[in-house]
Amino acid sequence: AQSVTQLDSHVSVSEGTPVLLRCNYSSSYSPSLFWYVQHPNKGLQLLLKYTSAATLVKGINGFEAEFKKSETSFHLTKPSAHMSDAAEYFCVVSARNNDMRFGAGTRLTVKP
Amino acid sequence: KAGVTQTPRYLIKTRGQQVTLSCSPISGHRSVSWYQQTPGQGLQFLFEYFSETQRNKGNFPGRFSGRQFSNSRSEMNVSTLELGDSALYLCASSFGHTGGSDEQYFGPGTRLTVT
Repeated sequence: AQSVTQLDSHVSVSEGTPVLLRCNYSSSYSPSLFWYVQHPNKGLQLLLKYTSAATLVKGINGFEAEFKKSETSFHLTKPSAHMSDAAEYFCVVSARNNDMRFGAGTRLTVKP
Repeated sequence: KAGVTQTPRYLIKTRGQQVTLSCSPISGHRSVSWYQQTPGQGLQFLFEYFSETQRNKGNFPGRFSGRQFSNSRSEMNVSTLELGDSALYLCASSFGHTGGSDEQYFGPGTRLTVT
């Protein structure tokens, strides 16, 4: 079975500084991995996905993530945080039958 | 292209009642998945429907059921509501390709409160 662990429940950064949201995965085969963002009282929006092509994946709003098989990690980064990035972020691993397992989420706070 | 829509957005029900939630997927999408989101349990997969058939099912009791119509619209039903069913119910649609890389697009959710 596959699973993900988001290593930080809450991350706080200042506007204009880098963002790092950490995710480790467990899967018995080469996984598909996703990052979703959820703003308050909204549904989830897909930021990016990895499906065994390039290990560095670029997403929307300046986010990117790097798949590292040796470390079983899929960390999400952004060079410069913006106030509008404040939200909950979910790392997701998907099985071949599309059974998606969500991490517990990381709440990102951006300070002015 | 219109996104995933869910109705109603908010619902208040009493313990023991039943409720039906509706989801209209993105045009062309044949798969609809349902999730329950609570502060304590996070996001949990309920079930997935593809071409009017339940294709995957999470670990929820039989009080939770669903169906999908020929136009891909889906409904979720919860019978004999319990206080613990209070949650945000999210619907997601996709093309339904297998292999794990299918992108799901989420609706805004239905906030269910059971009193």
